[in-house]
Amino acid sequence: KQEVTQIPAALSVPEGENLVLNCSFTDSAIYNLQWFRQDPGKGLTSLLLIQSSQREQTSGRLNASLDKSSGRSTLYIAASQPGDSATYLCAVIVLNNDMRFGAGTRLTVKP
Amino acid sequence: NAGVMQNPRHLVRRRGQEARLRCSPMKGHSHVYWYRQLPEEGLKFMVYLQKENIIDESGMPKERFSAEFPKEGPSILRIQQVVRGDSAAYFCASSPTGQGQGKLFFGSGTQLSVL
Repeated sequence: KQEVTQIPAALSVPEGENLVLNCSFTDSAIYNLQWFRQDPGKGLTSLLLIQSSQREQTSGRLNASLDKSSGRSTLYIAASQPGDSATYLCAVIVLNNDMRFGAGTRLTVKP
Repeated sequence: NAGVMQNPRHLVRRRGQEARLRCSPMKGHSHVYWYRQLPEEGLKFMVYLQKENIIDESGMPKERFSAEFPKEGPSILRIQQVVRGDSAAYFCASSPTGQGQGKLFFGSGTQLSVL
């Protein structure tokens, strides 16, 4: 059974810091891994999608890596800004098209 | 091209009533997924549908819950005889392909509150 874990559960950093969010999954048989951002009371915004054959994806200040063999992904945020404050969710798509989510990391970037 | 549209945004029901949640996928998307999010928890998969077919309902409770995605119109998640434990945010997502290759696009969710 696929289980997705995100560490830390919450993170508070001063503006300008570089930070890393961690995601681990128990079954390496995945189609892809996706990082989302969720703002309070709102839906999910897709940030980065990594196909199972890829090792990383970059978009602006965000970089996501994937190591299938070890069941890990990291989301790197460079030069964090207060507007980055949100909950970040990691999700994997498994073979039956089911997307399994971690519980998220709640990020606060202080001005 | 409008995104995934869910309505209502907020739904209040008393115990024992029925709740109907609607989801219109993005134009051109024929794959719809429903997820439930309890407070302080991640999203949990409920059901995956294509037009007129339920592909995977392994995450859906066996009783009181049903889902459909008719040939015409939105996908409907129906909860009969709601209980307080059904209070949650229900998210719908759509995809142009169900092969696990593409992104899922999420709606803003329906917040169900059961009194």
